[in-house]
Amino acid sequence: AQSVTQLGSHVSVSEGALVLLRCNYSSSVPPYLFWYVQYPNQGLQLLLKYTTGATLVKGINGFEAEFKKSETSFHLTKPSAHMSDAAEYFCAVSEGSSFQKLVFGTGTRLLVSP
Amino acid sequence: DGGITQSPKYLFRKEGQNVTLSCEQNLNHDAMYWYRQDPGQGLRLIYYSQIVNDFQKGDIAEGYSVSREKKESFPLTVTSAQKNPTAFYLCASSRQGGEAFFGQGTRLTVV
Repeated sequence: AQSVTQLGSHVSVSEGALVLLRCNYSSSVPPYLFWYVQYPNQGLQLLLKYTTGATLVKGINGFEAEFKKSETSFHLTKPSAHMSDAAEYFCAVSEGSSFQKLVFGTGTRLLVSP
Repeated sequence: DGGITQSPKYLFRKEGQNVTLSCEQNLNHDAMYWYRQDPGQGLRLIYYSQIVNDFQKGDIAEGYSVSREKKESFPLTVTSAQKNPTAFYLCASSRQGGEAFFGQGTRLTVV
């Protein structure tokens, strides 16, 4: 069975600082990996995804993530945090087949201080 | 605009009542999903459907029912058998091999 672990339910950074949100996954088949962002009382918006090919993936709003098979990780980074980045972030994995059944982590709330 | 529409945004249910949450998509996606979100627990899959007139249980299907009579629509009924229905419910859809797109959610509260 697939699973996702997000380390840290809350991460606090200062505006302009590096953002690093951690995600480790477990999958018996080559995974598809996703990062989603959620603002209060809204749905989820896709930030970026890894399916095959290049392991460094760039997404929207300056975020990127690197797929590391040996570490079973897919950490999300952004060089410089903005106040507007404050939200909840979810990592998710699917089996990489044509069918998208996503398994989500428990989420990390990013807090950005001035 | 293409997208997923969930209604209502807020819903209140009395004890013992069934309520139905609406989800409509105009993205021509084959697959549709219902997730439940509780604080600190991430998203948990309730039901999913890959094709019209077919659907499968997810991880927490007890107390819920769905139908998929049309490609565009995947309503979720929260029955009186669901003992703790207060939560944020999210509907999503996807095409084969593509990412999931989410609606804006319905917040259900038992009163």
